[in-house]
Amino acid sequence: QAQLVESGGGLVKPGGSLSLSCTASGFTFSHYYMSWIRQAPGKGLEWLSYISGSSSTTYYVDSVKGRFTISRDNAKNSVYLEMSSLRDEDTAVYYCARARGVDGFDIWGQGTVVTVSS
Amino acid sequence: DIQMAQSPSTLSASVGDRVTITCRASQDILAWLAWYQQKPGKAPQLLIYQSSILETGIPSRFSGSGSGTEFTLTISSLQPDDSAIYYCQHYHYYPWAFGQGTKVQIK
Repeated sequence: QAQLVESGGGLVKPGGSLSLSCTASGFTFSHYYMSWIRQAPGKGLEWLSYISGSSSTTYYVDSVKGRFTISRDNAKNSVYLEMSSLRDEDTAVYYCARARGVDGFDIWGQGTVVTVSS
Repeated sequence: DIQMAQSPSTLSASVGDRVTITCRASQDILAWLAWYQQKPGKAPQLLIYQSSILETGIPSRFSGSGSGTEFTLTISSLQPDDSAIYYCQHYHYYPWAFGQGTKVQIK
């Protein structure tokens, strides 16, 4: 069945960088938009970024624009989130999710934890 | 940007009760709204999309309604397994955004 698995989380110092990966299986990856969504400890969900199936279109929320970059490699069934200039407030569980057209996020990964701390 | 506001933040109800959660958008989002359920330590799960369409495999006690700026998620007969946090999310245009969540507790 369709599945997403994130990796790459960890502890990083403020101002540092980190790269997250999300690998898909069980569906035709290139046919779907993908997004990254995060959840700070004890807080709600925050949508971060979107990438179209062909990588031609990307969008970001203002809080990460210029610091985070979303990309994908359809040959590897993977979507990535490159994060730089990390701040304490970027500490969160980061989820990748499949956007089924305009029908919401129907498949989510298990999440990967990013901790920004000195 | 479109802001989403849910109410109440927390609700406590008994098994078998009818429960309603409201989500309000700061602008008209037509019917581009989804609802998710999240249990502790788990990723969210899609319940409803396009305001009222039940996702495959979701129990029929869940229903959604609304259009424009006001939406509701209803659980017709609350079950113990429904204890969770529920989020609405618009996808009318970018940036997409979630409501702050509603925690549903079983009395």
